[in-house]
Amino acid sequence: EDKVVQSPLSLVVHEGDTVTLNCSYEVTNFRSLLWYKQEKKAPTFLFMLTSSGIEKKSGRLSSILDKKELFSILNITATQTGDSAVYLCAVPRNTGGFKTIFGAGTRLFVKA
Amino acid sequence: GAVVSQHPSWVICKSGTSVKIECRSLDFQATTMFWYRQFPKQSLMLMATSNEGSKATYEQGVEKDKFLINHASLTLSTLTVTSAHPEDSSFYICSASRTGTPNYGYTFGSGTRLTVV
Repeated sequence: EDKVVQSPLSLVVHEGDTVTLNCSYEVTNFRSLLWYKQEKKAPTFLFMLTSSGIEKKSGRLSSILDKKELFSILNITATQTGDSAVYLCAVPRNTGGFKTIFGAGTRLFVKA
Repeated sequence: GAVVSQHPSWVICKSGTSVKIECRSLDFQATTMFWYRQFPKQSLMLMATSNEGSKATYEQGVEKDKFLINHASLTLSTLTVTSAHPEDSSFYICSASRTGTPNYGYTFGSGTRLTVV
């Protein structure tokens, strides 16, 4: 059965800390892995990863994919209170249409 | 670019009534749209995949007759919750991907919070 597993499920850090969020997957017909940030409403897109070993970076956020070991990490450096959110990892699966499987999310809380 | 508009943002309805939620891709064509449901502090659960001009594909456990999906054009999909009950209260989110680019990151609508009283 296809699955996406995120860890940890929740995390509390202080401002300025660096955090690493993990996502492992077992999905047939893998093509890409997506990271989203969800605050109060719908998720906002962060990264799409398709190739192993190529880091994607956006400000203090970065992410990398390992297709051999079937996982991805999302790093946030110098965390700020505004980074508090649920971070979702998702893998679209081509099944003749496209179905996206989401992980349970990591709830990050950054203390001032 | 790649904006998905979802309407309404929130709705309160009486038990037994029907509610329609719209999802529009504003600046791109979406062959496929997805409808998700999210309960508090839980991840998104796919309800159905909506393909333009054809019947939606429902996930296991999702009642087709209760959650009616129509994808009449490349920019509009609707989800109608029929004969709503309090247990249908949830956050419903649609997402869409650009036509012809299956690896493109999905764009989400802003979500609809449904409360059935």
